[in-house]
Amino acid sequence: TQLLEQSPQFLSIQEGENLTVYCNSSSVFSSLQWYRQEPGEGPVLLVTVVTGGEVKKLKRLTFQFGDARKDSSLHITAAQPGDTGLYLCAGARNYGQNFVFGPGTRLSVLP
Amino acid sequence: DAGVTQSPTHLIKTRGQQVTLRCSPKSGHDTVSWYQQALGQGPQFIFQYYEEEERQRGNFPDRFSGHQFPNYSSELNVNALLLGDSALYLCASSFQSAANTDTQYFGPGTRLTVL
Repeated sequence: TQLLEQSPQFLSIQEGENLTVYCNSSSVFSSLQWYRQEPGEGPVLLVTVVTGGEVKKLKRLTFQFGDARKDSSLHITAAQPGDTGLYLCAGARNYGQNFVFGPGTRLSVLP
Repeated sequence: DAGVTQSPTHLIKTRGQQVTLRCSPKSGHDTVSWYQQALGQGPQFIFQYYEEEERQRGNFPDRFSGHQFPNYSSELNVNALLLGDSALYLCASSFQSAANTDTQYFGPGTRLTVL
């Protein structure tokens, strides 16, 4: 069983639409990160959240950490083809421990 | 300023062989972590090196070993290759990665195929 679950597994939308992807766990995390990975490349860090209920915005991307620090969401407004990629969440259960990755949500934004 | 570099880009081996993958961290970084990413999955943590020692290890057998050199570069060695070892192997570097808020920078990976 995965420590982190991500949903949906796949998502295909038209340019300009909004979307939300989710990262869930039964475990509490001290911090959680979101990455985007494009084909042939390594993951690129988008954001780190550490406080329950925290909301961070990065241009058209909004990240939220659940109050209980067990889940997180990523909302993209007015998606663009350049947003296409594999979105990964990764959580660390305790300070100093390595991050555990979820299986990812593969997003395809069609022009 | 070069980012994280990995070599080779692609590698094909047969079962039972041994392989060595190499990683050079981003300038100024002293910590290197290795991950295995199977097709359609997220990266899985193999181990982390800091000050030339293995500091943390994930759930991988002893066939997977590593080394960090004084210049902070690192190698991942896999012995007695199995078909299931076929994956993208990612290296990530950071600076004194004891803090969970530290940013890891990933390299492009080495695609290993075991036949």
